[in-house]
Amino acid sequence: DSGVTQTPKHLITATGQRVTLRCSPRSGDLSVYWYQQSLDQGLQFLIQYYNGEERAKGNILERFSAQQFPDLHSELNLSSLELGDSALYFCASSGGGRHSETQYFGPGTRLLVL
Amino acid sequence: QKEVEQDPGPLSVPEGAIVSLNCTYSNSAFQYFMWYRQYSRKGPELLMYTYSSGNKEDGRFTAQVDKSSKYISLFIRDSQPSDSATYLCAMIDPNQAGTALIFGKGTTLSVSS
Repeated sequence: DSGVTQTPKHLITATGQRVTLRCSPRSGDLSVYWYQQSLDQGLQFLIQYYNGEERAKGNILERFSAQQFPDLHSELNLSSLELGDSALYFCASSGGGRHSETQYFGPGTRLLVL
Repeated sequence: QKEVEQDPGPLSVPEGAIVSLNCTYSNSAFQYFMWYRQYSRKGPELLMYTYSSGNKEDGRFTAQVDKSSKYISLFIRDSQPSDSATYLCAMIDPNQAGTALIFGKGTTLSVSS
């Protein structure tokens, strides 16, 4: 158990809909990352937040947005969903202690868009 | 050319074998090299973390980094069926904003008993 929690575990929805994925980082970690994993693309970085502020953006679509709240949990919002958005979405956290670069991943949310 | 290249396998070995997993990368600025293990449809689990060139050992696992060749390896000794998983290498570009990981696509390993 990495200490990172994600809800829900599974999500099935229809094209055009909007969903929210939630992540709670490990205790003491200030950074939260979101990654998307699809079969053909592998693990792709979407966005990083550090202590409530956006720190870096990767291959995140404009239809996707995220935020980190004062209690450090984070939400990833996916809107106008398309079939191609079906993937595993992972949250990771880092930032406590000496090796602040090391990231610990949650169990993921499996999104299926029909 | 992808930033991080990793042979997808699959790699099949008998129990007890020594396994060698490798990644090459294109950007000589990359630092903070990590290996993750991912069981099917689960979250990646951090196995090893190294910063500089050289070897780092942890139990049956040894991580090796050769920055001059832009090549990293993970060795698994006395492989077990429970080692069957996908192994992902990852690294950080210190010149980018933030500390996002850049992943290889992963090598699928199967250890048979």
